[in-house]
Amino acid sequence: DAGVIQSPRHEVTEMGQEVTLRCKPISGHNSLFWYRQTMMRGLELLIYFNNNVPIDDSGMPEDRFSAKMPNASFSTLKIQPSEPRDSAVYFCASSLEAGYTEAFFGQGTRLTVV
Amino acid sequence: GIQVEQSPPDLILQEGANSTLRCNFSDSVNNLQWFHQNPWGQLINLFYIPSGTKQNGRLSATTVATERYSLLYISSSQTTDSGVYFCAVEQDQGAQKLVFGQGTRLTINP
Repeated sequence: DAGVIQSPRHEVTEMGQEVTLRCKPISGHNSLFWYRQTMMRGLELLIYFNNNVPIDDSGMPEDRFSAKMPNASFSTLKIQPSEPRDSAVYFCASSLEAGYTEAFFGQGTRLTVV
Repeated sequence: GIQVEQSPPDLILQEGANSTLRCNFSDSVNNLQWFHQNPWGQLINLFYIPSGTKQNGRLSATTVATERYSLLYISSSQTTDSGVYFCAVEQDQGAQKLVFGQGTRLTINP
């Protein structure tokens, strides 16, 4: 398996623009997680899905952020409108199921909002 | 929620040295993982170790769940071991999410 695949790897956008990050989890994994990494806050969970259903979105910073998982092999994280403070590395991870199983991370998307 | 503390925050060693990284957590867990974040930012799985001891080459890890800590041992360090090491835990009977510590930044000098 190719592992968790994220795109794009790098994104530079202007403040106010819409940004869409994409993730393909490992085939057969039922849980998918979106994390954000910043110097100030470290690695923090934004949202996770189990069997394509959002289970916990308490980490989503505000209404400008939304995430979807239309099927078992694809998820998106959207920021609209983007702001400079959204600049961070966004990671997607997947596991067989949430709890009790190992999670694997994609290579991340480095987002810069200018 | 569960708290995860890693120590030391920074560690600088010469090539060939051994090191021990520690992860303390504040509640019982059903999942504990160690990751290495390399200089390119990639998170590499090292160990899935909610309890017990595992070894993989020069690396080994031990989790003592009853005492709420885990240790990562690196022997005969190489420059390629440099990077940030993260411990992440999932609280037992709690939210099903990995909570990360702040990491230990390891620098191995030639």
